[in-house]
Amino acid sequence: QKEVEQNSGPLSVPEGAIASLNCTYSDRGSQSFFWYRQYSGKSPELIMFIYSNGDKEDGRFTAQLNKASQYVSLLIRDSQPSDSATYLCAVNPGPGGSYIPTFGRGTSLIVHP
Amino acid sequence: GAGVSQSPRYKVAKRGQDVALRCDPISGHVSLFWYQQALGQGPEFLTYFQNEAQLDKSGLPSDRFFAERPEGSVSTLKIQRTQQEDSAVYLCASSSGTGESIQYFGAGTRLSVL
Repeated sequence: QKEVEQNSGPLSVPEGAIASLNCTYSDRGSQSFFWYRQYSGKSPELIMFIYSNGDKEDGRFTAQLNKASQYVSLLIRDSQPSDSATYLCAVNPGPGGSYIPTFGRGTSLIVHP
Repeated sequence: GAGVSQSPRYKVAKRGQDVALRCDPISGHVSLFWYQQALGQGPEFLTYFQNEAQLDKSGLPSDRFFAERPEGSVSTLKIQRTQQEDSAVYLCASSSGTGESIQYFGAGTRLSVL
């Protein structure tokens, strides 16, 4: 059973702070990792994906991957109230395995003014 | 189309009724996924199509659930004899390729079974 674990939160940070969202996964062979943002009552929206160990930056967002520790994180710099949402981590086994992603339950982020 | 379109957005069914949920993927997208999302949970995989072929249906919770994509475009998820535990948001996603292509989600259908 492939598992993707996220703290459900809520994680509350003040506006302008760095929000750090974490995700661990059980399948050591996983190849690709995705972060989705989901506003209440809306569909998930992709914000970042990462395949290689290390950091990947896109604007205020940084994804960090450590395959040895089976850990992927998302950092949001200069957090804004509009970042308040649930962040879903998804893990895809990739080539040679199923292409079906496994989602975590999501972490609720609240950015307060 | 501009995005993945799902209909209806909301569906209320009496227990025992059959329901049909429609997904219209982004034009030209090969892959189509159905997910079930319960309140406070992440999306749970139901089934996957590559064009018209249903390659994986391992996530369908029972034989009351059936999905089809006969022409490789629009897909329908049918639930027969609905039960209260079927109440959830049903999400459809499509992607342009196979394997690890990025998935684009529709707005979902919120099903409530009374």
